[in-house]
Amino acid sequence: EAQVTQNPRYLITVTGKKLTVTCSQNMNHEYMSWYRQDPGLGLRQIYYSMNVEVTDKGDVPEGYKVSRKEKRNFPLILESPSPNQTSLYFCASRRLLGGHVGSGANVLTFGAGSRLTVL
Amino acid sequence: AQSVTQLDSQVPVFEEAPVELRCNYSSSVSVYLFWYVQYPNQGLQLLLKYLSGSTLVKGINGFEAEFNKSQTSFHLRKPSVHISDTAEYFCAVSDPGGGGGSNYKLTFGKGTLLTVNP
Repeated sequence: EAQVTQNPRYLITVTGKKLTVTCSQNMNHEYMSWYRQDPGLGLRQIYYSMNVEVTDKGDVPEGYKVSRKEKRNFPLILESPSPNQTSLYFCASRRLLGGHVGSGANVLTFGAGSRLTVL
Repeated sequence: AQSVTQLDSQVPVFEEAPVELRCNYSSSVSVYLFWYVQYPNQGLQLLLKYLSGSTLVKGINGFEAEFNKSQTSFHLRKPSVHISDTAEYFCAVSDPGGGGGSNYKLTFGKGTLLTVNP
């Protein structure tokens, strides 16, 4: 089944304790991205990656790092989490190369979400 | 920069009534438009999308939306809602991509909570 898999789905941690949220896709997509969802703010992009070793900041990158060493994986790293990073996080991917307008190539596929609480 | 405005943060309706969730966007370029639904404690599910062609788009669960370029709107409608439609709905816009500077980002509205009451 084509999917984006995130882990962990739920995590409670404490301020300053480094953590990584993993994201993996099995669709050979070039593009991957992380979003955070907060009440009343919708979803905002944190980081994105156009392909292996190509990453860039989104709208709210402060406090986060990412890496793209393999095409299928795009982990989100919180080096020193703080309470304002308590949020629901979504990973997403899509194909960039090939595909005609109207095909699934233009649509982001989202993971199920990871709910993070930083105390 | 693109932006999306969902005009209602909450919409309460009775079961079997019609509903319209409003979405306006701003963009200086051509756009792709999407509606996503998030049921309680779940992830995002694509309801429908407009990429090109017919401006009336039909999606899953009986929802449809109409792209109106002159009014820069993409309102979501359903003629008769069910209790199970209770969820948060997000409108989103992206540019078609392929040009310099595009990051294929989806820009989301802040969401509309649809509550269907018996």
